[in-house]
Amino acid sequence: EVQLVESGGGLVQSGGSLRLSCAASGFTFSSSWMSWVRRAPGKGLEWVANIKQDGSEKYYVDSVKGRFTISRDNAKNSLYLQMNSLRVEDSAVYYCAREMSGAYPGYWGQGTLVTVSS
Amino acid sequence: QVVLTQSPSASASLGASVKLTCTLSSAHSSYSIAWHQQQPEKGPRYLMDLNSAGIHNKGDGIPDRFSGSSSGAERYLTISSLQSEDEADYYCQTWGTGFRVFGGGTKLTVL
Repeated sequence: EVQLVESGGGLVQSGGSLRLSCAASGFTFSSSWMSWVRRAPGKGLEWVANIKQDGSEKYYVDSVKGRFTISRDNAKNSLYLQMNSLRVEDSAVYYCAREMSGAYPGYWGQGTLVTVSS
Repeated sequence: QVVLTQSPSASASLGASVKLTCTLSSAHSSYSIAWHQQQPEKGPRYLMDLNSAGIHNKGDGIPDRFSGSSSGAERYLTISSLQSEDEADYYCQTWGTGFRVFGGGTKLTVL
């Protein structure tokens, strides 16, 4: 059974940093593109970033470029999102997702809540 | 940039059917999309992906009540025999090199 378990969310002040983690199991992690997707309060889903199997390609939504960094450790079956210079508008539940065919999330985690206060 | 347009809300009665629509921007009418469901207080769930010809894949354990179809730039999700647990937000999503895009979502109310 595919499992994705996010952690690391919490309350942080504007300008601060947070590192999210996602522990993956039940599939060959090193063979999958992985994504982070978020949902802000009252808003819809927004793709944040994704990373190729070997970490050689990474892509970001424009609003987080230069502030967020996606990474992975295939030896630990783990995905990360380093979030710096956080803004109030980054407040959201952040979901880890396993991409299928390098295209769309086929499996999702339950999410971790990030709240950025002013 | 690809834009996906969804109606903000839809409603249908218990046991009835409903068809949700996702419209691709005109320059991207041949793109494939995926449908995802998010029930209240839960993580999203992948339902299926569609190309311009129809369903390509369905997610694990997705009931046959959920089906998809395509016509031109429109991608549809049809849910038949509506159940209370189908009340959720439904999102379409597409992809390309270096980007993933979600539609704004449709909130489905089961009456």
